Amino acid sequence: EVQLLESGGGLVQPGGSLRLSCTDSGFTFTNYAMSWVRQAPGKGLEWVSSISASGGTTDYADSVKGRFTISRDNSKNTLYLQMDSLRIEDTAIYYCAKSGYGDPAYWGQGTLVTVSS
Amino acid sequence: DIQMTQSPSSLSASVGDRVTITCRASQGISYFLAWFQQKPGKAPKSLIFAASNLQSGVPSRFSGSGSGTDFTLTISSLQPEDFATYYCQQYNSYPRTFGQGTKVEIK
Repeated sequence: EVQLLESGGGLVQPGGSLRLSCTDSGFTFTNYAMSWVRQAPGKGLEWVSSISASGGTTDYADSVKGRFTISRDNSKNTLYLQMDSLRIEDTAIYYCAKSGYGDPAYWGQGTLVTVSS
Repeated sequence: DIQMTQSPSSLSASVGDRVTITCRASQGISYFLAWFQQKPGKAPKSLIFAASNLQSGVPSRFSGSGSGTDFTLTISSLQPEDFATYYCQQYNSYPRTFGQGTKVEIK
């Protein structure tokens, strides 16, 4: 069973930084693309960023391009999202997601990021 | 960017009803369409991939159809545990985009 566990969320001031982590407890992390998807309070789902299985290709939503950086450490089965220059509108639950049959196919439980002064 | 439009935005239905949700893409996405279910306070759950294929463990009362720009999610006989919000998503190209969601409520 795929289990994705996010960490690193919390309260940060506008302009601040935060790094999210997501650990995959399975054995196939290195074979699959990974993504971050967020959900602002009371709103729908918004794709944030994706990274290929090797880490060589990354994509970003326009809303975070230049501020967020996705990366992965396949030796640690861990996905990261470095978030800089945070804005109030970045407040959301951030879900780690793994591709499979569909992209994504598996979801973590999410970590809450609150940007507020 | 490919826009995904779901309809309706919400619906009220009774246990046992047949429910259909539609999703339209602003341009052709072949069959690269997924459906997700989300209950309040929970992470989304993958239901269907490639427009019509059920994820492992998903009950057979769920079905999906369509290709190109028009897709549907059907619940053949609504069960109490199916009251939730449903999202479609295209994974034909980046940026990945979701529909706005359809909330299925109890009548």
